[in-house]
Amino acid sequence: DGGITQSPKYLFRKEGQNVTLSCEQNLNHDAMYWYRQDPGQGLRLIYYSQIVNDFQKGDIAEGYSVSREKKESFPLTVTSAQKNPTAFYLCASSTRRYGYTFGSGTRLTVV
Amino acid sequence: KNEVEQSPQNLTAQEGEFITINCSYSVGISALHWLQQHPGGGIVSLFMLSSGKKKHGRLIATINIQEKHSSLHITASHPRDSAVYICAGDYGGSQGNLIFGKGTKLSVKP
Repeated sequence: DGGITQSPKYLFRKEGQNVTLSCEQNLNHDAMYWYRQDPGQGLRLIYYSQIVNDFQKGDIAEGYSVSREKKESFPLTVTSAQKNPTAFYLCASSTRRYGYTFGSGTRLTVV
Repeated sequence: KNEVEQSPQNLTAQEGEFITINCSYSVGISALHWLQQHPGGGIVSLFMLSSGKKKHGRLIATINIQEKHSSLHITASHPRDSAVYICAGDYGGSQGNLIFGKGTKLSVKP
């Protein structure tokens, strides 16, 4: 079955360490996205990519970095510059015709 | 500023009740999405609609373009429907223009 795989489901890191969240899709979607979810708030866009080797900053890109070397993969790195990294992170992909498919998310806790 | 507002924020229902969740958006959108988020966090896309009405099983989504309003209805609600329901407006243009509501937390009691 086609879908989006995010790993790991739960991740713990020490303050000051960079951490990379994985997102893989086998839907052949061109566009991929990273969102952040905090309690009581709507999902907010961190980065998105419409094609391989191209990506754009979203509303809250500071302290994050991404790469899009392959169509299937869109990893997100949470750097030590991100002031409040503890959150739930969702990856998604889309086509204009069929809409969005979301992953199951990664809950990152920085201690 | 593009905004999406949902109501109610929390909703508790008895099994079998008819449920309505509302969504309003501030300016024109190209499509509106209804999503379901279960306690584990993963999100499932329920509907994408730009006009009229769509139905899938016990779920019905409607949109009124003139009033900039959409509703999600659940008929014969069941405890397994307990989840957070999120609406999101697609403001078109370059992709990445989804604006999300804060969600409605639904709890259906047996």
